[in-house]
Amino acid sequence: NAGVMQNPRHLVRRRGQEARLRCSPMKGHSHVYWYRQLPEEGLKFMVYLQKENIIDESGMPKERFSAEFPKEGPSILRIQQVVRGDSAAYFCASSPSRSRGGYTFGSGTRLTVV
Amino acid sequence: DQQVKQNSPSLSVQEGRISILNCDYTNSMFDYFLWYKKYPAEGPTFLISISSIKDKNEDGRFTVFLNKSAKHLSLHIVPSQPGDSAVYFCAASYQGGSEKLVFGKGTKLTVNP
Repeated sequence: NAGVMQNPRHLVRRRGQEARLRCSPMKGHSHVYWYRQLPEEGLKFMVYLQKENIIDESGMPKERFSAEFPKEGPSILRIQQVVRGDSAAYFCASSPSRSRGGYTFGSGTRLTVV
Repeated sequence: DQQVKQNSPSLSVQEGRISILNCDYTNSMFDYFLWYKKYPAEGPTFLISISSIKDKNEDGRFTVFLNKSAKHLSLHIVPSQPGDSAVYFCAASYQGGSEKLVFGKGTKLTVNP
């Protein structure tokens, strides 16, 4: 049973480009969470989704960021018009149900904006 | 404003000894706490959790203690092993079954053979 798969592992974008980060949850998991880790910081919650629904997006920046988890396919975190401050590690996690944090994380996507 | 604080960026212990990692929180609305371990280039791995109705939870070599009045929790690892060398994150969840976690900045543990 494969774990949470994130791709790409590393992504380099120029300022102003779009970044798309993908997350395939574990088989049977319908809850997905996105976190961001800036250098020397802890993980910061961004968004919690279930299939086709955004449940909690209280950690998402108001502009340029969006997330989706369609009925079929991976969850996507989209960052439009990236800026240097978006450079971070983005982690996705999944769980089969509400789990209060006992979820499984992927290995992350490291985004570098140049 | 940091609501979950891990004031020691690093800790070094000898193999076989006890490792004690500390965490403080400021928000009384937290009622569930977790510890994660993270190796370089990997995602965090859930270790152990504790509800605010308890003051101790044990799982093998790992024990978490919660002192609600002091808003303090600690993770004890006994005995420490070189494979335990990693960054340890403390996290907290809000009352009401919130799925959102608030993380500390982490403590890097090094266990020397």
